[in-house]
Amino acid sequence: QKEVEQDPGPLSVPEGAIVSLNCTYSNSAFQYFMWYRQYSRKGPELLMYTYSSGNKEDGRFTAQVDKSSKYISLFIRDSQPSDSATYLCAMKGFNKFYFGSGTKLNVKP
Amino acid sequence: DADVTQTPRNRITKTGKRIMLECSQTKGHDRMYWYRQDPGLGLRLIYYSFDVKDINKGEISDGYSVSRQAQAKFSLSLESAIPNQTALYFCATSDPSGGENQPQHFGDGTRLSIL
Repeated sequence: QKEVEQDPGPLSVPEGAIVSLNCTYSNSAFQYFMWYRQYSRKGPELLMYTYSSGNKEDGRFTAQVDKSSKYISLFIRDSQPSDSATYLCAMKGFNKFYFGSGTKLNVKP
Repeated sequence: DADVTQTPRNRITKTGKRIMLECSQTKGHDRMYWYRQDPGLGLRLIYYSFDVKDINKGEISDGYSVSRQAQAKFSLSLESAIPNQTALYFCATSDPSGGENQPQHFGDGTRLSIL
């Protein structure tokens, strides 16, 4: 079983839709959670990070962590074509980062 | 200018050749990492370095070696390239001065094809 599971998609939505991206994890020791956005032919770009359970909001993006269920989510409100990218979740263990395989998102104009 | 710069951006080479991928950073971070990315497998850690005198193997270090020439430079070598090392390679940095759990920052990658 992988440490971090993420649905690869692709996920296709119309412009303006609310997008929900999710990851599950198996190691209850993970305490630190991140979301990265990766455009084609570019490196992962940090979007959000959080230490605790609950919600963290930054503009149109909301990161949600549920440690009891070992489940994290990224919500994108009012999605735009420029949000079309692959989204990677990541978690920090002892001296190491664990990444999901990424969900490809396509926002159609 | 990019904070984490990788060269070359693309490379095609033949089986058995020695290849070096280079990474330099202007962020002043002590920690540097090399990952490879394959479709469906995500990012896998090859090597990491917490300072110039510290080198550690990651989960898939076989067939690779690294050199930390300075705080700002971290190179990855494939001594004798094989086709299953065809992948997208990323360098990343992190700064522990703000705490152990600071996020990583990535370069734009090297697309490596081995024929």
